[in-house]
Amino acid sequence: RKEVEQDPGPFNVPEGATVAFNCTYSNSASQSFFWYRQDCRKEPKLLMSVYSSGNEDGRFTAQLNRASQYISLLIRDSKLSDSATYLCVAANTGNQFYFGTGTSLTVIP
Amino acid sequence: GAGVSQSPSNKVTEKGKDVELRCDPISGHTALYWYRQSLGQGLEFLIYFQGNSAPDKSGLPSDRFSAERTGGSVSTLTIQRTQQEDSAVYLCASSLGESKIYGYTFGSGTRLTVV
Repeated sequence: RKEVEQDPGPFNVPEGATVAFNCTYSNSASQSFFWYRQDCRKEPKLLMSVYSSGNEDGRFTAQLNRASQYISLLIRDSKLSDSATYLCVAANTGNQFYFGTGTSLTVIP
Repeated sequence: GAGVSQSPSNKVTEKGKDVELRCDPISGHTALYWYRQSLGQGLEFLIYFQGNSAPDKSGLPSDRFSAERTGGSVSTLTIQRTQQEDSAVYLCASSLGESKIYGYTFGSGTRLTVV
């Protein structure tokens, strides 16, 4: 079983739409969670951390549900520039991060 | 430097040759990680350095792979007797000690093609 699992998509949404991604993690001892964004043929870049109480950064909202072991990312008012692959990450008690395979988003004009 | 620097950005090598990939982390970052990403696949952990030591090298796929870090800074990943299945993008990342708080910063990667 993979440490982190995501729906690969693709998600194709019109500009201005709201879109949500979920991912699940298998290790209940995972301590930290992140969302990374990866553009085509580029390196992953940190989008936001995910805190237990949930957190928001502009149009982006991240939520953590420890009981069900999933995290989510909500993007409101989608922009063309949001088109990318979104990677879910769980960190265990060590320093290794476990990355999901990513969810592809295309925002359509 | 301002970011994580990796070289070369692209490398094409013949099967059976050795290759060395270099990573120069962000100045002051004590932790350094190597991952690889194959086409359409997720990131696969290879090895983690804290300072010059490697407390976790569990992800190295075979004994053809080795890595070292000197001076708590630059790291090299060496692949001996390359095989076609080694073709991938090799990503280096660095972080302040508490990566669980700050996350990683990745370099732009080395795209390795074994022909």
